[in-house]
Amino acid sequence: EVQLVESGGGLVKPGGSLRLSCAASGFTFSSYSMNWVRQAPGKGLEWVSSISSSSSYIYYADSVKGRFTISRDNAKNSLYLQMNSLRAEDTAVYYCARDPSVDYWGQGTLVTVSS
Amino acid sequence: DIQMTQSPSSLSASVGDRVTITCRASQGIRNDLGWYQQKPGKAPKRLIYAASSLQSGVPSRFSGSGSGTEFTLTISSLQPEDFATYYCLQHNSYPFTFGGGTKVEIK
Repeated sequence: EVQLVESGGGLVKPGGSLRLSCAASGFTFSSYSMNWVRQAPGKGLEWVSSISSSSSYIYYADSVKGRFTISRDNAKNSLYLQMNSLRAEDTAVYYCARDPSVDYWGQGTLVTVSS
Repeated sequence: DIQMTQSPSSLSASVGDRVTITCRASQGIRNDLGWYQQKPGKAPKRLIYAASSLQSGVPSRFSGSGSGTEFTLTISSLQPEDFATYYCLQHNSYPFTFGGGTKVEIK
């Protein structure tokens, strides 16, 4: 059974940093591209970033480019999102989701950016 | 960037009704589109992939159609557990983009 479990969310002040993790199991993690998708409270879904299976290709939404960094460790079956220079508008539930067609999602982790 | 215009943004329907939700892409995306159902406090669940293929385990009352720029999700006979918010997602090119969502409420 495919499982994706996010962690690392919490309350952080504007300008602060946070690192999210996603632990994958039930499939060959190293064979799949992965995504981060977020959802602000009461709002729709927003794609944030994608990384290819070997980390060769990385993409970001304009809203996070230069502030967020996606990475992965295939030996640990883990996906990461390093979030720097956080803003109030980054407050959201962050989901990791498997590619290539965004089929399986984790349960999400809440990031709150507030002073 | 490809814009996904989803309509309607909300609808009220009764159990047993036929419901249709539409997504229009600002440029052709072949059939690189999925439909998702989200209930409050839960992660989205994929219902349809490749525009018209039913995800394993999803009831057959859900169907998808379309290709290129026009796509439709149909629920043939709405059930109580179908009241939720539905999203389309294009994964043809980066940045991936979602439709704005359709909230299906009980009439």
